[in-house]
Amino acid sequence: GENVEQHPSTLSVQEGDSAVIKCTYSDSASNYFPWYKQELGKRPQLIIDIRSNVGEKKDQRIAVTLNKTAKHFSLHITETQPEDSAVYFCAAIIIIQGAQKLVFGQGTRLTINP
Amino acid sequence: GAGVSQSPSNKVTEKGKDVELRCDPISGHTALYWYRQSLGQGLEFLIYFQGNSAPDKSGLPSDRFSAERTGGSVSTLTIQRTQQEDSAVYLCASRTGGGSNQPQHFGDGTRLSIL
Repeated sequence: GENVEQHPSTLSVQEGDSAVIKCTYSDSASNYFPWYKQELGKRPQLIIDIRSNVGEKKDQRIAVTLNKTAKHFSLHITETQPEDSAVYFCAAIIIIQGAQKLVFGQGTRLTINP
Repeated sequence: GAGVSQSPSNKVTEKGKDVELRCDPISGHTALYWYRQSLGQGLEFLIYFQGNSAPDKSGLPSDRFSAERTGGSVSTLTIQRTQQEDSAVYLCASRTGGGSNQPQHFGDGTRLSIL
């Protein structure tokens, strides 16, 4: 189908532990995969993105991995902190009726327990 | 520089009234998107403008919804004869014209409440 599946829908981890959120996509031609963080009542903010010509990208405590063969990509947050608590959305370019569209996953509510 | 600006930030109106929501994209961004986000839910695509091309209206949920983009910059989303199920946060995003594989930048949204 023309969608992006995101799991889990909720995730609770202890402060200092790692968190992993996974997404799968349907279109093998997808070439761009951004991740957004949305804190309560605020706008979604781009935190990291990856293009299909690389398999992994890191930015401090955040990393994204991409497996093009399996059509899935993951967000990894290490040494989690309370301010990491938010809803995270993955997205992927999907070809719909001949047009490229950025399709979002349903979101993961991440809670960091102190 | 300035980010995506949306107004009003909050709008409360009675069922059956029309509402207009405004979006000022980042200067120079040729692509503009409208999304709807119901409480605790994901981002529902509504409409997409790219330069002078015909907009992609495939996400509009009914003919009560329409949008315009004047002069390739400011956009207005209009909802006519509002219903309670229209209550949601309406988010606008813009990006450069380099293609769909460029990041979208979001505004703070308009929280619409229909009484």
